[in-house]
Amino acid sequence: KAGVTQTPRYLIKTRGQQVTLSCSPISGHRSVSWYQQTPGQGLQFLFEYFSETQRNKGNFPGRFSGRQFSNSRSEMNVSTLELGDSALYLCASSPDRGTGRYEQYFGPGTRLTVT
Amino acid sequence: AQSVAQPEDQVNVAEGNPLTVKCTYSVSGNPYLFWYVQYPNRGLQFLLKYITGDNLVKGSYGFEAEFNKSQTSFHLKKPSALVSDSALYFCAVRDFYNQGGKLIFGQGTELSVKP
Repeated sequence: KAGVTQTPRYLIKTRGQQVTLSCSPISGHRSVSWYQQTPGQGLQFLFEYFSETQRNKGNFPGRFSGRQFSNSRSEMNVSTLELGDSALYLCASSPDRGTGRYEQYFGPGTRLTVT
Repeated sequence: AQSVAQPEDQVNVAEGNPLTVKCTYSVSGNPYLFWYVQYPNRGLQFLLKYITGDNLVKGSYGFEAEFNKSQTSFHLKKPSALVSDSALYFCAVRDFYNQGGKLIFGQGTELSVKP
């Protein structure tokens, strides 16, 4: 099976702009989670989507939003970018919890730089 | 609060020697524990998990981990380290009891294996 794919891999934006990142999960996975990775804060959970519904949300401001489509692909959007939003954004997909498999599989990430 | 701690920022090992990367956790309810590895400019790669059952779990690339409930630890081990094992290792827990199942990561341990 193909792994989790994320586009674009690299992005440079200016403060105040908005950005949309895309994630395609492993085929058959309906759960998609997003994480932000920075040197200072480490890996932090943003949100999780399952069957087009947000199932869980981390402690990020409302500028961070996401959605999931019927084919399980997901996007996250960051509006009014700040310098502190510069990070590696990781998407992860996982099988349904009912399968008894709880591990998440990560994509390569999108490196966002805000100038 | 639910958390994961990796007490060592860096672990240095000679090739061929055994390695241990330490992790302790604090969660309510049953812990779902994971180890991930991250190579430079890459996403996280799943190594192994503990959900229930045997306290010693085996994973990819010869890694194993020992779950110790009384010490709330989940240390990653490998009998004989390779230079190619050099990477950043993350311990994580999924807390379904209080946190809706989001992955909570430790701060990471940089493993350096020298020839």
